[in-house]
Amino acid sequence: DVKVTQSSRYLVKRTGEKVFLECVQDMDHENMFWYRQDPGLGLRLIYFSYDVKMKEKGDIPEGYSVSREKKERFSLILESASTNQTSMYLCASSRTGVRNQPQHFGDGTRLSIL
Amino acid sequence: ILNVEQSPQSLHVQEGDSTNFTCSFPSSNFYALHWYRWETAKSPEALFVMTLNGDEKKKGRISATLNTKEGYSYLYIKGSQPEDSATYLCAFHSGGGADGLTFGKGTHLIIQP
Repeated sequence: DVKVTQSSRYLVKRTGEKVFLECVQDMDHENMFWYRQDPGLGLRLIYFSYDVKMKEKGDIPEGYSVSREKKERFSLILESASTNQTSMYLCASSRTGVRNQPQHFGDGTRLSIL
Repeated sequence: ILNVEQSPQSLHVQEGDSTNFTCSFPSSNFYALHWYRWETAKSPEALFVMTLNGDEKKKGRISATLNTKEGYSYLYIKGSQPEDSATYLCAFHSGGGADGLTFGKGTHLIIQP
């Protein structure tokens, strides 16, 4: 079974802090994604990566950056956390080049910025 | 930003009844349409990935259909059980596939015993 592991289920940080959310997958997937889930808004794509050191902006990249130094790990960075970044963050991975491949999700990190 | 709509937003169904809900998506630049089930405190779980117009997929009591020309997909649940209670998400995958999904807001399904 594909396993996507997010480093924390719950995280509380303060405004202005630099925050790192980590995601690791064990299936050698090329693609990795970061989404956030807010009530009434659905899952929204922040950033994705289709290869090591490659990154692409999603629909809502402002205030975030990412890092993909190894194939299995994709980090989401909040450069200076703000209260409007309080949300549920989900990481996902998928195989490239196969049209009917689903994305595999982690359990999510519920981040609160105080 | 692409528009993916799901209806209804929430649904209460009696145990044993059948139900269905809708996902509408852009009819151009189609690559794939995904359905996920998301139970509370768990990760979203893939149900179906549909790629061809007219596709019908089935997994146990759950099935889905796809119409890419008019931009909609239906998800059907036959004989609802309490364990079917979850949020059902559809997601549109556009272009060449080398990018993320655009999700609808989901249909929150509650099965009442």
